[in-house]
Amino acid sequence: AQSVSQHNHHVILSEAASLELGCNYSYGGTVNLFWYVQYPGQHLQLLLKYFSGDPLVKGIKGFEAEFIKSKFSFNLRKPSVQWSDTAEYFCAVTPSSGTYKYIFGTGTRLKVLA
Amino acid sequence: GAVVSQHPSRVICKSGTSVKIECRSLDFQATTMFWYRQFPKQSLMLMATSNEGSKATYEQGVEKDKFLINHASLTLSTLTVTSAHPEDSSFYICSARDHITGELFFGEGSRLTVL
Repeated sequence: AQSVSQHNHHVILSEAASLELGCNYSYGGTVNLFWYVQYPGQHLQLLLKYFSGDPLVKGIKGFEAEFIKSKFSFNLRKPSVQWSDTAEYFCAVTPSSGTYKYIFGTGTRLKVLA
Repeated sequence: GAVVSQHPSRVICKSGTSVKIECRSLDFQATTMFWYRQFPKQSLMLMATSNEGSKATYEQGVEKDKFLINHASLTLSTLTVTSAHPEDSSFYICSARDHITGELFFGEGSRLTVL
């Protein structure tokens, strides 16, 4: 069965610190990968996605993620976080073809201290 | 950008009553919509996939007679929690897939509290 694992449940950083959030998935076929962000009181928003091609994907607000197929990983990074990045981050996977069912990780709650 | 609207955002009901939650795609057509349930401090759990004009596909362990899903048009899906009980209290989120771009957009969520 498909599954998505996010290793860090809570992360606290100071402004300007670098961020890396881990995401590993389990699935036998080719997948599409996503990172979503949920700011306090708001709905989920797409940060970035990987379908194919360059495994280093750049998203909005300075975020990027790297797909490493051999490690089944899709880690999210940002070189310098801001207070406004305080939010919950979800990694998600869906098969490249078929049902478009999205499987989400448990989320990582990021708090950035000003 | 594309917007998905959920209504109501909060609802409180008595045990035994039924509650309907609507999910609308406002500026795109969605042949597929998804319903999730989010428990506190946990991830989104996929409940069912709703396809326009056909029966919903439920995930294992989700009672289809309790969580009725209807996707009668390309812009509207509804989730009805029938004979609600306190254990049904949760945050329900819908998402809609833009059938042209394939992108998934999320609603704001609906918090159900069953007394």
